[in-house]
Amino acid sequence: KAGVTQTPRYLIKTRGQQVTLSCSPISGHRSVSWYQQTPGQGLQFLFEYFSETQRNKGNFPGRFSGRQFSNSRSEMNVSTLELGDSALYLCASKSGENIQYFGAGTRLSVL
Amino acid sequence: KQEVTQIPAALSVPEGENLVLNCSFTDSAIYNLQWFRQDPGKGLTSLLLIQSSQREQTSGRLNASLDKSSGRSTLYIAASQPGDSATYLCAVRPGSNAGKSTFGDGTTLTVKP
Repeated sequence: KAGVTQTPRYLIKTRGQQVTLSCSPISGHRSVSWYQQTPGQGLQFLFEYFSETQRNKGNFPGRFSGRQFSNSRSEMNVSTLELGDSALYLCASKSGENIQYFGAGTRLSVL
Repeated sequence: KQEVTQIPAALSVPEGENLVLNCSFTDSAIYNLQWFRQDPGKGLTSLLLIQSSQREQTSGRLNASLDKSSGRSTLYIAASQPGDSATYLCAVRPGSNAGKSTFGDGTTLTVKP
């Protein structure tokens, strides 16, 4: 069974640009969560989607948005990038037993 | 608001030692607690999940315990190996099973050969 797949693995953008990250969950998993990880703030929850509906949202500005498709794949978008958005963005899908499985992450660098 | 603390932030031990990593949480109304391992620059790998009704879970050389009433979980690693070197994080899911998981900042473990 394939794991959680995140693309791209690395991304370099400049301030003011926008970016879209993709996450394909484990087959059969309907819940997808996104996290931002930085050295100073640790792992911070962005949002969770279940069956194409946003179920929970963390304390991030409206520049951060996401969506989930009918095949459970999810995308996260960040508009008007800031230097502080540089981070490792992790996606996790959740099994029916409530075990979270993480992807390898997308490393975003904003210059 | 749930807060999760992991102490120590870093730990260095010689190969072969048994060790314990700690995770404390402020709100005991949890649904489950999950331990993860993260290698530098990589994603998180699930190690063990303990449901709120359970006291411990074991997988190979790893044993995780949960004491909800005191807001504590421990991860015991037996006969540590250099390959165990990584950052270990615990995550707590709220009692309603809705809402975000709250993560600790992790304990970075170094096992010296």
